[in-house]
Amino acid sequence: GDSVTQTEGLVTLTEGLPVMLNCTYQSTYSPFLFWYVQHLNEAPKLLLKSFTDNKRPEHQGFHATLHKSSSSFHLQKSSAQLSDSALYYCALSEYTGNYKYVFGAGTRLKVIA
Amino acid sequence: EAAVTQSPRNKVAVTGGKVTLSCNQTNNHNNMYWYRQDTGHGLRLIHYSYGAGSTEKGDIPDGYKASRPSQENFSLILELATPSQTSVYFCASGDAWGGAQDTQYFGPGTRLLVL
Repeated sequence: GDSVTQTEGLVTLTEGLPVMLNCTYQSTYSPFLFWYVQHLNEAPKLLLKSFTDNKRPEHQGFHATLHKSSSSFHLQKSSAQLSDSALYYCALSEYTGNYKYVFGAGTRLKVIA
Repeated sequence: EAAVTQSPRNKVAVTGGKVTLSCNQTNNHNNMYWYRQDTGHGLRLIHYSYGAGSTEKGDIPDGYKASRPSQENFSLILELATPSQTSVYFCASGDAWGGAQDTQYFGPGTRLLVL
């Protein structure tokens, strides 16, 4: 069945270092992939999502590349900021007659000075 | 941006009692969802709906019912609340009918404590 795996529960980084949060998935056909971000005491909101034409989505300095060969959609940023501290969810969406929307367990990113 | 509201924002219930969580969205989205969020489990789908009158079971529907009386409203009902249902509940709506590029817009969440 469809699933999303985020291997790190917590990632702690020093400000200014690069960010990479891992996301791999299993799906039946060709899903769309998403990253959502949830700051403390707020609701999750969309950070970025994959395109159908293989363009690399970017938002607020974050980007992710969908690699179908490795079933991955890792989230990256060149330089972490204190304000990036949040919970990040990877998700996939697929419609194969039935609608599927699956979230990973989430990775908490903590950026320290 | 889509507006999704939830009520109540906080709720304390007793074991065995009935709890109704309400969700309203004002952007005419077809799809609506109920999730619970627990540390270590992320967001888990309880029920969802494709439109007024429809409800579908998600991944963890046991102990929950859902109702979608209109395009705007989607309720989650706990007929006999148990302490294991203590959690934060999020409602979300989506803007793609039958399509996979469905961005979900979340409400602010409801904190439920079952004693």
